[in-house]
Order: sequence, then C-alpha cells, then structure tokens
Amino acid sequence: GNSVTQMEGPVTLSEEAFLTINCTYTATGYPSLFWYVQYPGEGLQLLLKATKADDKGSNKGFEATYRKETTSFHLEKGSVQVSDSAVYFCALRLQGAQKLVFGQGTRLTINP
Amino acid sequence: GAGVSQTPSNKVTEKGKYVELRCDPISGHTALYWYRQSLGQGPEFLIYFQGTGAADDSGLPNDRFFAVRPEGSVSTLKIQRTERGDSAVYLCASSLQGHEQYFGPGTRLTVT
Repeated sequence: GNSVTQMEGPVTLSEEAFLTINCTYTATGYPSLFWYVQYPGEGLQLLLKATKADDKGSNKGFEATYRKETTSFHLEKGSVQVSDSAVYFCALRLQGAQKLVFGQGTRLTINP
Repeated sequence: GAGVSQTPSNKVTEKGKYVELRCDPISGHTALYWYRQSLGQGPEFLIYFQGTGAADDSGLPNDRFFAVRPEGSVSTLKIQRTERGDSAVYLCASSLQGHEQYFGPGTRLTVT
C-alpha cells in the first residue's frame, strides 16, 4: 500500500547545527510530497511541497528535493534555530486523490 | 481571516457513550477532511467531503463512525458506542478543491 516512513525521533540539536530528517515513501504512480510542521500548541501547517520528480520545495530556510530514484524527500536546513523546535511530518498525496498519507512524525528540539 | 475551528477542544466521555465533534472550515472552502491522530503517530485519513457529499469515506474504521456536512460548510463527526481505542486527537482540514489543506487545532477525545 501507500505509506511514508520517517526517521525516528526525537532529534535534539544545538542552535546553528545542520538538520536532516529522512523521509522515504512507497506509492503507486507519481505522488505529490509534503512536509508539515506542528509547533507547540498549534495546528499542522504546510512547510513545503514538491509535485514532481527533481522538484525542490523550500520555505523558511528548509529545503527538500523529490527524488524518485530513491523514493525520498529528505528535509534539510543549514542552520537551525530554537524556534524550529516542533514536530515535522512527511506526507504524500496520490495523483487524482485528495487525502494525505502521513509519516509518524519526528520531534525536533533545538537547544540554545 | 479566520482559520479552521473545531469544538470542543477537549472531550472526555465514558465508554459506550455517543459523541459529536464539530468542524467549521475556512469560509469558501469546498473541500473538508477529517483525520485522526493517535499519540506518537501521524494523522490518519478518515473521510473527505466535496461540498455536501462524502467523496471518500474509505478511512472510517467501522460503522460506529459517521460524518455529515449538510449545507456544505460545517461538518460533524459522530461516534457511536465509543471505545477506549477511539481516544485520539481528531483533526479537521479544509481547502479549495485541489489546493493546500489548512488544519484546525483538533479535538482531543478521551474515552474512559
């Protein structure tokens, strides 16, 4: 079936460190891929997306590239801040479908 | 403008009782989604409405779960004969057709 697997958390880093959160997927066809973020006490927010192979989504210093050959969509940021502490979810949406399929989430904590 | 709102924010009920969870989508959004998020997991799709009709209810776990959207705006998720395993955060999202889903803050349901 269609699924998303994220690297297990929690992840703890120091401010200004380099961040990678791995995400791989299994899907039929050509899904769209997303990263959502949930800040403490807030609802899920779309962080970035990519709709076809080799597309790069970017927002707030975060980037992810849609790699079809490795079925991956890893999230990266060059220098994290304390305010990036949150839970990050990778998700896919199949072509022609509306529902999102989420990974289990990765809790990120950034220490000053 | 106003985002997606959900009421109540918290609901505690006894096993076997009936509950209703309400979602007010962003004004003008034709699509509405319900997801369920268990502790430590990503959201799981339940049902998707396009207008008043349920376009995809493949995620409803069993016939104790039912959702309506009678006027194409507000939606109610109804759970009969609640079980302890129904305890989770129930998330609602809305969107324009084919566009970004905006999530509400969720209703935390606890079945004792």
